[in-house]
Amino acid sequence: EAEVAQSPRYKITEKSQAVAFWCDPISGHATLYWYRQILGQGPELLVQFQDESVVDDSQLPKDRFSAERLKGVDSTLKIQPAELGDSAMYLCASSLARTSGSEYFGPGTRLTVT
Amino acid sequence: AQSVTQLGSHVSVSEGALVLLRCNYSSSVPPYLFWYVQYPNQGLQLLLKYTSAATLVKGINGFEAEFKKSETSFHLTKPSAHMRDAAEYFCAVSSTGANSKLTFGKGITLSVRP
Repeated sequence: EAEVAQSPRYKITEKSQAVAFWCDPISGHATLYWYRQILGQGPELLVQFQDESVVDDSQLPKDRFSAERLKGVDSTLKIQPAELGDSAMYLCASSLARTSGSEYFGPGTRLTVT
Repeated sequence: AQSVTQLGSHVSVSEGALVLLRCNYSSSVPPYLFWYVQYPNQGLQLLLKYTSAATLVKGINGFEAEFKKSETSFHLTKPSAHMRDAAEYFCAVSSTGANSKLTFGKGITLSVRP
């Protein structure tokens, strides 16, 4: 069965450094999501892409976070500079449809900022 | 605005006992409702979803949930817990239509005692 791939699985970085996460969605899935999951909380949507276009980035802290999906396939989420409060699990998901409940989630990247 | 409330953070049951995980929602429009499961160091997996068809929804792994509009609830149940059910469970709500966004609860950790 096809899966959403994410790398790295774990990342430790010092505050003020730059960090990037990569996501490869299931082939053919036009919609891609990045979520942030702080320990003890549910995932929160950071950004949603439809093909290469951003559909929703209302919760993305744009002063330090950026996301791109240049060719409408894989995607990169970047944080610069990282802050202690950015320590979390970053989940990528993809779907064929643009409606909720059809997402497939990747295993996530656990970020620790020291 | 939409939200879900999952009271408590941890539920412990004995193997073979009934599992009941509570979820209450708030939505100004007819909602779609979801339950997801997350095993350690893995992404989220959809257990079941309510999309305004039958109010009793059956999902994978023997779980089911009932949509009760009068109580604004969508509690998750399983008649007999198994050790492999130990995981974190998230309730989520979204609006209907394209570009709908999932809003997750804080999650409940289910432990199963032998």
